[in-house]
Amino acid sequence: GAGVSQTPSNKVTEKGKYVELRCDPISGHTALYWYRQSLGQGPEFLIYFQGTGAADDSGLPNDRFFAVRPEGSVSTLKIQRTERGDSAVYLCASSFRATSGVEGTYNEQFFGPGTRLTVL
Amino acid sequence: GNSVTQMEGPVTLSEEAFLTINCTYTATGYPSLFWYVQYPGEGLQLLLKATKADDKGSNKGFEATYRKETTSFHLEKGSVQVSDSAVYFCALTGHAGGTSYGKLTFGQGTILTVHP
Repeated sequence: GAGVSQTPSNKVTEKGKYVELRCDPISGHTALYWYRQSLGQGPEFLIYFQGTGAADDSGLPNDRFFAVRPEGSVSTLKIQRTERGDSAVYLCASSFRATSGVEGTYNEQFFGPGTRLTVL
Repeated sequence: GNSVTQMEGPVTLSEEAFLTINCTYTATGYPSLFWYVQYPGEGLQLLLKATKADDKGSNKGFEATYRKETTSFHLEKGSVQVSDSAVYFCALTGHAGGTSYGKLTFGQGTILTVHP
């Protein structure tokens, strides 16, 4: 079956512009995560959805960043008034459900190939 | 909050050498621990995991043991191959008593290059 897909694979934009990044999770996965990976760093958490609702958006850096998942499947990460510091690879991951919080349990997150965003 | 510290890289080894990549963590509650790998031109893949203290995760000849007393999860392989060249990330996710359950906290990554 298909894995997590992300479009576009590359996005070049100018400072101040608006961008949308799309994530298609694995079919049937209810949890969806967005991460950002800057050059030479590990991925950093941005937001995660359980179904249609954002269960934790504590990683969004400021109010220029927003994400939606209106039907509980595809998600879109939206960045307004882009800045050069937003340049990074944006990763999406999905899992069957979010980890329950019980010790010893974990639902594996499957990652997409990422969208490389370059803000000129 | 949660954090993960990996040994500084890059690491360069000859084929068949022994590999250790150190990883220590800070977390509340009962985190699960992971090693992810990113091969050149590919996406992040889960390499191995351990969800409870003293568990050993293993895959493709790699092993790591969840040591709660030393808050460590070091990655080891007895004999590396050229095909193991990749970036390796240590990560954790929180559990009851900690922060958000689902999100992964990653280390900065260690670049491994294996020469023939």
